Amino acid sequence: TQLLEQSPQFLSIQEGENLTVYCNSSSVFSSLQWYRQEPGEGPVLLVTVVTGGEVKKLKRLTFQFGDARKDSSLHITAAQPGDTGLYLCAGARHDMRFGAGTRLTVKP
Amino acid sequence: DAGITQSPRHKVTETGTPVTLRCHQTENHRYMYWYRQDPGHGLRLIHYSYGVKDTDKGEVSDGYSVSRSKTEDFLLTLESATSSQTSVYFCAISESRVPGDEQFFGPGTRLTVL
Repeated sequence: TQLLEQSPQFLSIQEGENLTVYCNSSSVFSSLQWYRQEPGEGPVLLVTVVTGGEVKKLKRLTFQFGDARKDSSLHITAAQPGDTGLYLCAGARHDMRFGAGTRLTVKP
Repeated sequence: DAGITQSPRHKVTETGTPVTLRCHQTENHRYMYWYRQDPGHGLRLIHYSYGVKDTDKGEVSDGYSVSRSKTEDFLLTLESATSSQTSVYFCAISESRVPGDEQFFGPGTRLTVL
């Protein structure tokens, strides 16, 4: 059983569409991170959220940490082919635990 | 980009053979980690190091050992590889062990055990 459940597992959309992916847990985390991983490469950190209810924006990406610090969402506005990749969330407790990821494909 | 290299990048081996994967960093970070990534499981921590000769177990350490004789190098050894150890292995580094601090990942090693 994954400590962090990500949904959906796979998402294929057209360029210009909006999307939201989710990272859920029954555990409380001191912080939560989102990484993006491209094929043949290691994950790269996008953002860290620390405070319950916190919202961070990174260009067209909006990250939200749940009020209870158990879940998070990533919203992408007007997706572009360059957004294609595997999006991983990772929660911090006494160590870091990763979700299995959402594989996003944005078609031109 | 953080200076992290992994070698080899790809390896195919047979069940029962020993395998050593190498991680090399040029960032002088104290902490180094080995993860494995499998479909449906995400990244799982195998072992980590908090200094030269200082290592500790992670979530899935059975069947793996590690060594760190220099700050820049962290080796992962499979003493007798099994098919269940077929995976993609990632090395990561960080300046601190505070959960939530950024980890920088290497490009990965794809290991196939036949």
